[in-house]
Amino acid sequence: QKEVEQDPGPLSVPEGAIVSLNCTYSNSAFQYFMWYRQYSRKGPELLMYTYSSGNKEDGRFTAQVDKSSKYISLFIRDSQPSDSATYLCATDTGRRALTFGSGTRLQVQP
Amino acid sequence: ETGVTQTPRHLVMGMTNKKSLKCEQHLGHNAMYWYKQSAKKPLELMFVYNFKEQTENNSVPSRFSPECPNSSHLFLHLHTLQPEDSALYLCASSDTRASPEAFFGQGTRLTVV
Repeated sequence: QKEVEQDPGPLSVPEGAIVSLNCTYSNSAFQYFMWYRQYSRKGPELLMYTYSSGNKEDGRFTAQVDKSSKYISLFIRDSQPSDSATYLCATDTGRRALTFGSGTRLQVQP
Repeated sequence: ETGVTQTPRHLVMGMTNKKSLKCEQHLGHNAMYWYKQSAKKPLELMFVYNFKEQTENNSVPSRFSPECPNSSHLFLHLHTLQPEDSALYLCASSDTRASPEAFFGQGTRLTVV
């Protein structure tokens, strides 16, 4: 069993839709939960991270962590074609060595 | 730009060749990492250096040899690779004292023929 599971997609939505991206994890020791965005031919860039359970909002993006069910979510409101990318969830026990999901490819159609 | 620069961006090498990947960070971070990204697989952590000391080696074959001469530079020396080693190799850095955020370079696309 992988430590972090993520549906690879692809996920195709119309512009303006609300997008929900999800991961599950198995290691209870994970403390930090991150979402990275990776455009084609680029390295991943951090969107946001949360520590432990709860919600965090940044503009159109909301990250949610439920440690009781080991579930991580990223919501994108009013999705734009520029949001088309691969979204990677990542976790960290605090050792600063990230464990990644396999990524979900998102396509936002104009 | 993220402040992490990798060279070369693309590399094609034969199985008997020796080559090196280079990474440089201009962020004043204390930790540097090598990750491997293969199609449809999660990023795999290969090596971690903290203050120039290797703190993690995730069972990586010896045909991959890292070197960290100082906290700003990281190399990955490659020799006698296999075609299945073809992948995107990503370097990252972080300030482990501040936050868990890792800053990634754009990667080196390696093809072993």
